[in-house]
Amino acid sequence: AQTVTQSQPEMSVQEAETVTLSCTYDTSESDYYLFWYKQPPSRQMILVIRQEAYKQQNATENRFSVNFQKAAKSFSLKISDSQLGDAAMYFCAYRSAKNNDMRFGAGTRLTVKP
Amino acid sequence: DVKVTQSSRYLVKRTGEKVFLECVQDMDHENMFWYRQDPGLGLRLIYFSYDVKMKEKGDIPEGYSVSREKKERFSLILESASTNQTSMYLCASSFMLRENTEAFFGQGTRLTVV
Repeated sequence: AQTVTQSQPEMSVQEAETVTLSCTYDTSESDYYLFWYKQPPSRQMILVIRQEAYKQQNATENRFSVNFQKAAKSFSLKISDSQLGDAAMYFCAYRSAKNNDMRFGAGTRLTVKP
Repeated sequence: DVKVTQSSRYLVKRTGEKVFLECVQDMDHENMFWYRQDPGLGLRLIYFSYDVKMKEKGDIPEGYSVSREKKERFSLILESASTNQTSMYLCASSFMLRENTEAFFGQGTRLTVV
């Protein structure tokens, strides 16, 4: 099974600054999808951003962008102009295009300092 | 809006009890998933289902079973609850074999086995 690794259990950023969360994955497949989810204290998982493996262009959603390096199997999330509401657990996820299951990393807890 | 509803937000059960966690989705999704979330371990896949009466084991199926008698409902069953099954359980659903589709999550059930 594919594995997803988030090597930063905790990260901290000053409000209005930029932070990057790391994610690497292990797969032998060429077709797959990658996601970043946010889980605030309410526990509700919210999709932040998604990336198709066949697309070279990095996905961007407002203040959130990714750096997708397919050869290196790396998928980092950059949050620009950090806001207090960005404080949450962030999970990186891999979805196989072949068998439909989804695997998640261990998560990174992001703290935003005012 | 997609809605994934888990039957309980908090649950306390005794060791040895049979426990049912219910999940219902209203978007006609083919795939449904059960994850277990523990600190430092992220979300681990217990079982998923891609069709009625179909199920696939995830990474940690031991001690659990599932049932999918109707497309919209996916139940997780703890045959004989044990204290090491105290955890947060998350249900999710998604479309099957469609490009770039994320999973939608329920609000989670925090299960305590005493």
